[in-house]
Amino acid sequence: SQQGEEDPQALSIQEGENATMNCSYKTSINNLQWYRQNSGRGLVHLILIRSNEREKHSGRLRVTLDTSKKSSSLLITASRAADTASYFCATDTGGGNKLTFGTGTQLKVEL
Amino acid sequence: DTAVSQTPKYLVTQMGNDKSIKCEQNLGHDTMYWYKQDSKKFLKIMFSYNNKELIINETVPNRFSPKSPDKAHLNLHINSLELGDSAVYFCASSQVGGSSYEQYFGPGTRLTVT
Repeated sequence: SQQGEEDPQALSIQEGENATMNCSYKTSINNLQWYRQNSGRGLVHLILIRSNEREKHSGRLRVTLDTSKKSSSLLITASRAADTASYFCATDTGGGNKLTFGTGTQLKVEL
Repeated sequence: DTAVSQTPKYLVTQMGNDKSIKCEQNLGHDTMYWYKQDSKKFLKIMFSYNNKELIINETVPNRFSPKSPDKAHLNLHINSLELGDSAVYFCASSQVGGSSYEQYFGPGTRLTVT
């Protein structure tokens, strides 16, 4: 299946540290998106990177994409306790209608 | 203003019952989705509608029937509920074909079948 695998499954860091999450997928994509899910809430879109892009920034977020390795990483710099959430990558294989979500990384940022 | 809303937020019911979940979006999007998130947080698409037309129908038991009365609403009806249907169901919407492909999610409906 196209389902992405995320690594690590869980990550615990101290406030102020950087957090890196990785996502691997199996087939060609049109774009890859990252979403955040706070406990008991819906998913919130963070950032989208297209297949012809290698790196993208948004505030404290940095996303990279390596289509040759079929992998992406999400870096959150200077983490805050409010960043505690689950983070999911999602691949769009074309058309924008269907996203296939990864297994998610649970990030805990401690004070 | 709530962009994507779902009702109810919690639903507890017994096996064999029939239940519905409603979803509305006020973003003017033309595409709406239903996702199921299991206890391990795995999120899987179930259905997608574009302008009231079904465009994605994943391998979902036919006990699940989506209905889109207009492009702002997508409801999910479930017949003969089973224990395995217990999950969180998310509605989402997007504007397909524009420059952005991001999806906007509702707060979820936690369904518990006893």
